[in-house]
Amino acid sequence: GDSVTQMEGPVTLSEEAFLTINCTYTATGYPSLFWYVQYPGEGLQLLLKATKADDKGSNKGFEATYRKETTSFHLEKGSVQVSDSAVYFCALVPRLTGNQFYFGTGTSLTVIP
Amino acid sequence: GAVVSQHPSRVICKSGTSVKIECRSLDFQATTMFWYRQFPKQSLMLMATSNEGSKATYEQGVEKDKFLINHASLTLSTLTVTSAHPEDSSFYICSASPDRVYGYTFGSGTRLTVV
Repeated sequence: GDSVTQMEGPVTLSEEAFLTINCTYTATGYPSLFWYVQYPGEGLQLLLKATKADDKGSNKGFEATYRKETTSFHLEKGSVQVSDSAVYFCALVPRLTGNQFYFGTGTSLTVIP
Repeated sequence: GAVVSQHPSRVICKSGTSVKIECRSLDFQATTMFWYRQFPKQSLMLMATSNEGSKATYEQGVEKDKFLINHASLTLSTLTVTSAHPEDSSFYICSASPDRVYGYTFGSGTRLTVV
């Protein structure tokens, strides 16, 4: 079945460090891929998405590239800030259903000054 | 735009009681809403699809008599956890979408603790 595997946290980085959160997926066909972020006490917010192979989603300095050959959608940011501290979820939506999300377990990121 | 409001954000209840969680689309109409649940250190898992004016569709393994879903209007879906037990303690979150182009918006979630 469809699923997402996300690197476990928690991750603690110093400000301005490079961030990578790994995400791989299993799906039939070509799903849409997403990264959501949850700040403390808030709901999930869409961070970025990609809908087809080789697409790069980007937002607020974060990037992720849809890699069909490795079934991956790793999240990266070149220089993290304290305000990036949150929980990050990788997710997919199968092409056929179009509306049901399959989430990873979430990765907690703490950025220290 | 496309705001989903969920209430309450946290609730503690006694074992055996029922708890109602509300999910509202504030600035759009949603014929379909989704309810997810997250246990500690696990993924968010879809519990059920809430359909306005008709019965909800439950995922395999989710007890429909325990998790009652009512979607009586185009802006409100409710999830009632009946006869709650400590193992129902979890994080519950809903989502909805104004259209396929916009995508899905999530509520802020409800942390349920059953003591």
